[in-house]
Amino acid sequence: QVQLVESGGGVVQPGGSLRLSCAASGFTFSSYGMHWVRQAPGKGLEWVAFIRYDGSNKYYADSVKGRFTISRDNSKNTLYLQMNSLRAEDTAVYYCAKRGVGATSIDYWGQGTLVTVSS
Amino acid sequence: QPVLTQSSSASASLGSSVKLTCTLSSGHSSYIIAWHQQQPGKAPRYLMKLEGSGSYNKGSGVPDRFSGSSSGADRYLTISNLQSEDEADYYCETWDSNTWVFGGGTKLTVL
Repeated sequence: QVQLVESGGGVVQPGGSLRLSCAASGFTFSSYGMHWVRQAPGKGLEWVAFIRYDGSNKYYADSVKGRFTISRDNSKNTLYLQMNSLRAEDTAVYYCAKRGVGATSIDYWGQGTLVTVSS
Repeated sequence: QPVLTQSSSASASLGSSVKLTCTLSSGHSSYIIAWHQQQPGKAPRYLMKLEGSGSYNKGSGVPDRFSGSSSGADRYLTISNLQSEDEADYYCETWDSNTWVFGGGTKLTVL
């Protein structure tokens, strides 16, 4: 069965950096695009970034463009999110999510990892 | 890019049915959406992909009580025979070129 396990969350000061990881199993990771989606405390879901199956194209929400970088290592079945210049408003649970077959929706979610930006 | 509009809350009685709505913005009425469920304190779960024709494909293990339908720019999620575990937030999702969008979510209370 599909499993997505995020790690790397924690407390970081404003202006700091953090790298999240998402270990994937149960499917052919190298064949699927992957997302990062976040959820601030008590708020709704916000799409953060997407990377194509082969890493050839990456797309970002305006709120994180220029500060966050999505990447993947298909040899390790792992998705990453490098977060720099972190702000208080980046505080959220970060979920990795798998894109479905073809140009379609998210079809699996990880359990999430909490990032807290605070001094 | 498309915008998805959802009512902030809904309620229905145990054992009854409820129909949640997700409305696509002008010019995007033909778009495919997906419904996701988020139970309290848990990660979201994919429920189904729903086309403008009303055709839908459910995720693995999603009960038969969940169904989808469409009318114009509106996409619906109907839950029949409501159970206590259906009390959750429900989000719709869509995508356009290189951007993905979520609705604001509907909090469903089972009375």
